Amino acid sequence: EPEVTQTPSHQVTQMGQEVILRCVPISNHLYFYWYRQILGQKVEFLVSFYNNEISEKSEIFDDQFSVERPDGSNFTLKIRSTKLEDSAMYFCASSPGQGHQPQHFGDGTRLSIL
Amino acid sequence: AQSVTQPDIHITVSEGASLELRCNYSYGATPYLFWYVQSPGQGLQLLLKYFSGDTLVQGIKGFEAEFKRSQSSFNLRKPSVHWSDAAEYFCAVAYSGGSYIPTFGRGTSLIVHP
Repeated sequence: EPEVTQTPSHQVTQMGQEVILRCVPISNHLYFYWYRQILGQKVEFLVSFYNNEISEKSEIFDDQFSVERPDGSNFTLKIRSTKLEDSAMYFCASSPGQGHQPQHFGDGTRLSIL
Repeated sequence: AQSVTQPDIHITVSEGASLELRCNYSYGATPYLFWYVQSPGQGLQLLLKYFSGDTLVQGIKGFEAEFKRSQSSFNLRKPSVHWSDAAEYFCAVAYSGGSYIPTFGRGTSLIVHP
């Protein structure tokens, strides 16, 4: 079964540095998402992406965050200047459509900010 | 705004016992309801979903859930729990009348005793 893959599995970065998290969504999916899960807390929506543009974003997704689909397969999340509170698991997801078509999640990238 | 409540943070059951995990959602238009499971160090895997039709839905790994509109609930059940079911379980809801982005509950951690 096709999977969403995320790299790296664990990223350690100094506060203030830029970090890029990478995702390869399932190939025939059209909608792409990033979620965040701070340790012990719920999964929080960050941003959705469709047709090469952001379709929706949460209040968490401020100017420090950006997303890009640089080619036909990758979907990246960039954090420009990381803060300690950005430490979390970041999940990428994709879906063929919206609504009742569920999202398929990657295994996540654990981001640790020192 | 749509919301999901999972009132139980932890549930402990003995292997072979039955299981019910509770999920309540805020009232809205026709809900799309999902249950996901997250094993340690992994992403979220879809167990089952409901968007219309039969209110009792069957999922993978022997799980089922029942949609009760009158109670705004979508509880997850399994008649006999296996040790490998120990994981974090997330309920999620999306609405057809608004944003399709699912909102996740805070999760219920299932502990299985031998």
